[in-house]
Amino acid sequence: GQNIDQPTEMTATEGAIVQINCTYQTSGFNGLFWYQQHAGEAPTFLSYNVLDGLEEKGRFSSFLSRSKGYSYLLLKELQMKDSASYLCAGDYGGATNKLIFGTGTLLAVQP
Amino acid sequence: DAGVTQSPTHLIKTRGQQVTLRCSPKSGHDTVSWYQQALGQGPQFIFQYYEEEERQRGNFPDRFSGHQFPNYSSELNVNALLLGDSALYLCASSLARGLSTNEKLFFGSGTQLSVL
Repeated sequence: GQNIDQPTEMTATEGAIVQINCTYQTSGFNGLFWYQQHAGEAPTFLSYNVLDGLEEKGRFSSFLSRSKGYSYLLLKELQMKDSASYLCAGDYGGATNKLIFGTGTLLAVQP
Repeated sequence: DAGVTQSPTHLIKTRGQQVTLRCSPKSGHDTVSWYQQALGQGPQFIFQYYEEEERQRGNFPDRFSGHQFPNYSSELNVNALLLGDSALYLCASSLARGLSTNEKLFFGSGTQLSVL
């Protein structure tokens, strides 16, 4: 299988930093997506990592280690609006864009 | 530039009925994927359509079928509805993958289906 594992829930404080981890099966793996999903809304794209290393994009950064089957999403300077579900998804599609999603990590940002 | 649009936004059906959900991809996109998202879960891949044909399919029964039209829009049909089919159905569009393309999937807001 292509199990994508991530924590179910996390809580953090406004202004702080939080790291959401994700592990995945490496067989057939092409790349790793992170999406943000607010309740009742569509998932919105945050990042896509193909190569090892850290990619920074404003307050959000994403890291990938292909050999370890590990990724994390780092959120800095947390804001209340960052309260959402964060979905880790592995790209196993080969010639297609078939994504295998984890269950999502529900992040609650507290004042 | 309109994003991915889905209709209807909400739908209530009873067991055994059939339902059709519709999706218009983002302008310029030619590939449509459908996902099922149960409450508290991540989206599960149902199938993908490209050039009016099903290109890849996830682990869903034949009750789930689809279609893609020449204008790239797509329909998802579910027959003989079960209570367990209650979920948010998401449509995602993209460009057909090239040799070195990391195309982002753009998701619609989804259709919330409730089966009673």
